[in-house]
Amino acid sequence: AQTVTQSQPEMSVQEAETVTLSCTYDTSESDYYLFWYKQPPSRQMILVIRQEAYKQQNATENRFSVNFQKAAKSFSLKISDSQLGDAAMYFCAYRRGNTGGFKTIFGAGTRLFVKA
Amino acid sequence: EAGVAQSPRYKIIEKRQSVAFWCNPISGHATLYWYQQILGQGPKLLIQFQNNGVVDDSQLPKDRFSAERLKGVDSTLKIQPAKLEDSAVYLCASSLAGDRGVSEAFFGQGTRLTVV
Repeated sequence: AQTVTQSQPEMSVQEAETVTLSCTYDTSESDYYLFWYKQPPSRQMILVIRQEAYKQQNATENRFSVNFQKAAKSFSLKISDSQLGDAAMYFCAYRRGNTGGFKTIFGAGTRLFVKA
Repeated sequence: EAGVAQSPRYKIIEKRQSVAFWCNPISGHATLYWYQQILGQGPKLLIQFQNNGVVDDSQLPKDRFSAERLKGVDSTLKIQPAKLEDSAVYLCASSLAGDRGVSEAFFGQGTRLTVV
């Protein structure tokens, strides 16, 4: 069974600084997708960035980028130039790539605090 | 494009009572998910529908939880009778079906259930 592990329950970063959130996963599949979701106090999960496992290039979305290490099964999120609005829970998620279901499995989350 | 709609936002019930949650997915999204998110944890999939058929309900406590998706659009999740440990946020999400790579899940704002 696939699992997703986020080993940092909480992280803190100074405004305008860079922070990296860690995620590891376990799977025997070769075709899958990885996601980082942000969950602010409003509770709505918002997709931050996604990575297809077959792509070697790390995904980037503005201030957000990932370091995808497929062999190590590691998928970390880097937030550059942190802003107060980045404060939220961040969830790493895994989804199989084949048909028959697109169940997304989530890690336990990392709460990010941004200090002014 | 309208997002995933859920109601109610909050619900407080006594144990052994019944409760129902409603979800309206994004138009055209064939896949619908119900997740349970206990405080401090990541979302856990309860049930996944593809149109009006169940794809995965392996983690649904079927002795008390039920869900349906009539006509492959709206969905309701019911708990009867509720237990204290059912206190959680219930998230509904939807995604396109058959799209291997791009189809991430879009989430509603969830229903916070408190069982007293």
